[in-house]
Amino acid sequence: KAGVTQTPRYLIKTRGQQVTLSCSPISGHRSVSWYQQTPGQGLQFLFEYFSETQRNKGNFPGRFSGRQFSNSRSEMNVSTLELGDSALYLCASRVGTGGYSPLHFGNGTRLTVT
Amino acid sequence: DAKTTQPPSMDCAEGRAANLPCNHSTISGNEYVYWYRQIHSQGPQYIIHGLKNNETNEMASLIITEDRKSSTLILPHATLRDTAVYYCIVRVAPVSSGSARQLTFGSGTQLTVLP
Repeated sequence: KAGVTQTPRYLIKTRGQQVTLSCSPISGHRSVSWYQQTPGQGLQFLFEYFSETQRNKGNFPGRFSGRQFSNSRSEMNVSTLELGDSALYLCASRVGTGGYSPLHFGNGTRLTVT
Repeated sequence: DAKTTQPPSMDCAEGRAANLPCNHSTISGNEYVYWYRQIHSQGPQYIIHGLKNNETNEMASLIITEDRKSSTLILPHATLRDTAVYYCIVRVAPVSSGSARQLTFGSGTQLTVLP
């Protein structure tokens, strides 16, 4: 079974631009969540989607948004990029049928803002 | 979610068992213990989880103390590819589909497997 796929793998943008990152979850997984990872802050939760609805949101500004499609694929958008947005953005999926199903992460998109 | 405490780093000889400790003294009765690891430049990888019984899968074993205040992840025969940062996380299991709560990752333990 294919794992979580994130595209693109690397991205370089300049301040003020906007960016869209894509995530394809494991087949059958209906929940997708996004995390930002930086050396200083570690892994921080952005938001989680289930059945095309945002179910949970972390403490990030409104410039960070996301959506989920009917096939469970998800996109994350960051507008008006700032230097501090440079990070590894990770997508994770889970079955989402309750219980304790673990998260399965993709290898991330490395975003560099110059 | 309960806070966890892990040593910042550990070394282990290749072929030997790696025992990674985690303290979670404030864990509550409905919180699970999860272990993930992250190899450089990759996303975190799920390893194992448990509630109160010891668990084993193809990757590792998880030993949870009877009072559940600490646990140990055991990699029975460590290889060089097991060099990674290992995260111990406790969290409440979601009660219904879609109501999942985010994982909170701490600093983890940098495990270095030495040849």
